[in-house]
Amino acid sequence: AQSVTQLDSQVPVFEEAPVELRCNYSSSVSVYLFWYVQYPNQGLQLLLKYLSGSTLVKGINGFEAEFNKSQTSFHLRKPSVHISDTAEYFCAVSDDLTGNQFYFGTGTSLTVIP
Amino acid sequence: DTGVSQNPRHKITKRGQNVTFRCDPISEHNRLYWYRQTLGQGPEFLTYFQNEAQLEKSRLLSDRFSAERPKGSFSTLEIQRTEQGDSAMYLCASSWADSLYGYTFGSGTRLTVV
Repeated sequence: AQSVTQLDSQVPVFEEAPVELRCNYSSSVSVYLFWYVQYPNQGLQLLLKYLSGSTLVKGINGFEAEFNKSQTSFHLRKPSVHISDTAEYFCAVSDDLTGNQFYFGTGTSLTVIP
Repeated sequence: DTGVSQNPRHKITKRGQNVTFRCDPISEHNRLYWYRQTLGQGPEFLTYFQNEAQLEKSRLLSDRFSAERPKGSFSTLEIQRTEQGDSAMYLCASSWADSLYGYTFGSGTRLTVV
């Protein structure tokens, strides 16, 4: 089974500053990587995914992430955050081609400070 | 397409009582998933259906838990003889066959066992 580590449980950042949310996963032959965002009292929304190809993937709301196989990482970045980005962010991995099961990290709470 | 709908949004029950949650997936999605999310943790896989067939169950799904998806449409998750440790957010998600493109999650049912 896969495991996912999100190193930072809470990340405060000032509005318009850049942010990086870190994610590391246990190695496997091939993995498929995802970032989800959860706003208060809402379900999880897919931000972006890496399945294959270019290691830099762009998602919604100006987020991007880079897959680094040698470091088994998939860090999420945004060059300039907005108040509306305040939410819980989850990194997830699947090692099954059919995606039957995702393994989620414990989440990073991003708080954007005005 | 109204998204994935879960009912009820909140449920408070006494220990030992049975509870049932309902999930209505996106109509054209043939896969349906149940996850459990406890405070401070990421979602954990419980089970998934392809159409009406329950194809995989996690070890987290004890004998007190049962899930059904009659006719491959909505799904129910029942917990019998609830325990305080069952308190969590129960998330439902659906996808088309190739779920590596990401699930669509519902807003969840928050269960509190007192």
